[in-house]
Amino acid sequence: ETGVTQSPTHLIKTRGQQVTLRCSSQSGHNTVSWYQQALGQGPQFIFQYYREEENGRGNFPPRFSGLQFPNYSSELNVNALELDDSALYLCASSRGGGGPRTDTQYFGPGTRLTVL
Amino acid sequence: GIQVEQSPPDLILQEGANSTLRCNFSDSVNNLQWFHQNPWGQLINLFYIPSGTKQNGRLSATTVATERYSLLYISSSQTTDSGVYFCAGTTGGGNKLTFGTGTQLKVEL
Repeated sequence: ETGVTQSPTHLIKTRGQQVTLRCSSQSGHNTVSWYQQALGQGPQFIFQYYREEENGRGNFPPRFSGLQFPNYSSELNVNALELDDSALYLCASSRGGGGPRTDTQYFGPGTRLTVL
Repeated sequence: GIQVEQSPPDLILQEGANSTLRCNFSDSVNNLQWFHQNPWGQLINLFYIPSGTKQNGRLSATTVATERYSLLYISSSQTTDSGVYFCAGTTGGGNKLTFGTGTQLKVEL
């Protein structure tokens, strides 16, 4: 059974640029959630995708967008990067159907984004 | 949104010592999970424990949902237990995990 994978591991961008982060969900999982973790803080929920549709969103501006593909892998896109976007971006997958009781979420190793 | 407080914020133990980490929620939560984040940033699932008690080796956890708290017990700590421990849960019909503030644990020889 393959766990959650993310790419790239590290990324350096400059302010104003755009970035795409990728996530492959664990085998058998159809739900992907994205989180942002700033240094010294707990992860903050960005959004969740279930069956290729956004299924819940946290308090992040529209320049944070995502996609989920038929194989349940997912992308996180961030436009017009700001210095405060520097963080560890974590992807989690679960078997949940996106309903009230989400299943256990399993996290990938993360992508560390630095915005200069 | 709910507030999740964890205590203590920092903890230093000698190898072999026991410890208890606490997580308090401001509202009822579902899908409560405990995680260990290693120094490389990987979040590792420890327990999915919306209520009751579970044990896994040297670790155990108890959640008292009616009183909105959960406890994580670490016995005979080892240096590899070092890292940050987070609890997290969802509320109502929501699907986002809200994380606590974390407990930074350092286990020394």
